[in-house]
Amino acid sequence: GENVEQHPSTLSVQEGDSAVIKCTYSDSASNYFPWYKQELGKRPQLIIDIRSNVGEKKDQRIAVTLNKTAKHFSLHITETQPEDSAVYFCAFNFGNEKLTFGTGTRLTIIP
Amino acid sequence: SQTIHQWPATLVQPVGSPLSLECTVEGTSNPNLYWYRQAAGRGLQLLFYSVGIGQISSEVPQNLSASRPQDRQFILSSKKLLLSDSGFYLCACNPSFGTSGRPPGGQYFGPGTRLTVT
Repeated sequence: GENVEQHPSTLSVQEGDSAVIKCTYSDSASNYFPWYKQELGKRPQLIIDIRSNVGEKKDQRIAVTLNKTAKHFSLHITETQPEDSAVYFCAFNFGNEKLTFGTGTRLTIIP
Repeated sequence: SQTIHQWPATLVQPVGSPLSLECTVEGTSNPNLYWYRQAAGRGLQLLFYSVGIGQISSEVPQNLSASRPQDRQFILSSKKLLLSDSGFYLCACNPSFGTSGRPPGGQYFGPGTRLTVT
């Protein structure tokens, strides 16, 4: 069955520093890895994703890296800002129909 | 791009009462649709998903049910609510990339319904 571990569960970072969240997955057939950001009381929003034929993808201050051999992928946020404070969820596909979500990381940016 | 509507936005219901939550999607056809539940401060629990009209897959045995009477309508129901049914209910959509060979892709979430069972 599908399984994903997400670390850390909470993370506090000084404004301007970088934040890294890591997920490890179990299904070697997975080929799609999105990251979601959920602000308090709101819906999760897709912020970046990567497919298995790519090792790294960057979009302004956020980037995702994928290591298929080790079965882990990471979210990197550089030059953090207060509006980056939220809960972040990793996910990976299980077949073509479903996503398995991580348990979430609560990121707090300290001004 | 697709737009996902959910209603009601908030709901307070007594234990034992029925439930009906509705999700509709605009801007896409033949999407995969999903119902998730999120308890306070917790992760996303997949309840049901549907790949087409009348096709429902249940992920967690419980007192909830789902139906898809139209291509872009997904309904979550219960005959008798439990206290443990309280939570944030999110509908999600994976837009169609074609009728076959659909690649895995991102799911997009509706605004959610916050349900409190008292």
